[in-house]
Amino acid sequence: AQSVTQLDSQVPVFEEAPVELRCNYSSSVSVYLFWYVQYPNQGLQLLLKYLSGSTLVESINGFEAEFNKSQTSFHLRKPSVHISDTAEYFCAVSEHTGGFKTIFGAGTRLFVKA
Amino acid sequence: EAGVAQSPRYKIIEKRQSVAFWCNPISGHATLYWYQQILGQGPKLLIQFQNNGVVDDSQLPKDRFSAERLKGVDSTLKIQPAKLEDSAVYLCASSLFRQRNTEAFFGQGTRLTVV
Repeated sequence: AQSVTQLDSQVPVFEEAPVELRCNYSSSVSVYLFWYVQYPNQGLQLLLKYLSGSTLVESINGFEAEFNKSQTSFHLRKPSVHISDTAEYFCAVSEHTGGFKTIFGAGTRLFVKA
Repeated sequence: EAGVAQSPRYKIIEKRQSVAFWCNPISGHATLYWYQQILGQGPKLLIQFQNNGVVDDSQLPKDRFSAERLKGVDSTLKIQPAKLEDSAVYLCASSLFRQRNTEAFFGQGTRLTVV
């Protein structure tokens, strides 16, 4: 069965510093991978996704994630964070076969300090 | 384009009472999901509809939870009777198709507190 592990529940970081939010998954088949973001008092919204092709995917606000099949990871990175990036970030995985189910990790709370 | 609408935003009930949540998906979206998000955890899929048919309800506690999407548009999720452990945010999401690579759009959720 598929599963998602987000290794850090909270990540405090200073503004303009780089950040990496870690995500590892487990699946016996090929997967699609997603990062969702939840800003305070808002709903979940898609940040970026990996479906196929280039293993490096980018979002419009400077985040990127790299699919590493050998390490079953999909870590999220940003070279310089802003206060406005403070949010909860969820990694999610959806299998190519079997049930049509997207599994979410427990989330990582990114707190950007001035 | 209007987003996914959910109501109410907040609900406080006593245990053993019943409660219902409503969701209006994005127009034209055939697939609708209900997720339960307990504090400190990621969203857990409760039920998935394709139009007005259920395609996955394997994690729905059917002894107390029910959901319907009668006309393939709006959906309601009901809990009867509620337990303390049902305290969570209930998220509704919709997507164009059932395919896994289609982005799901989420509503703001309903925060349920059972006391």
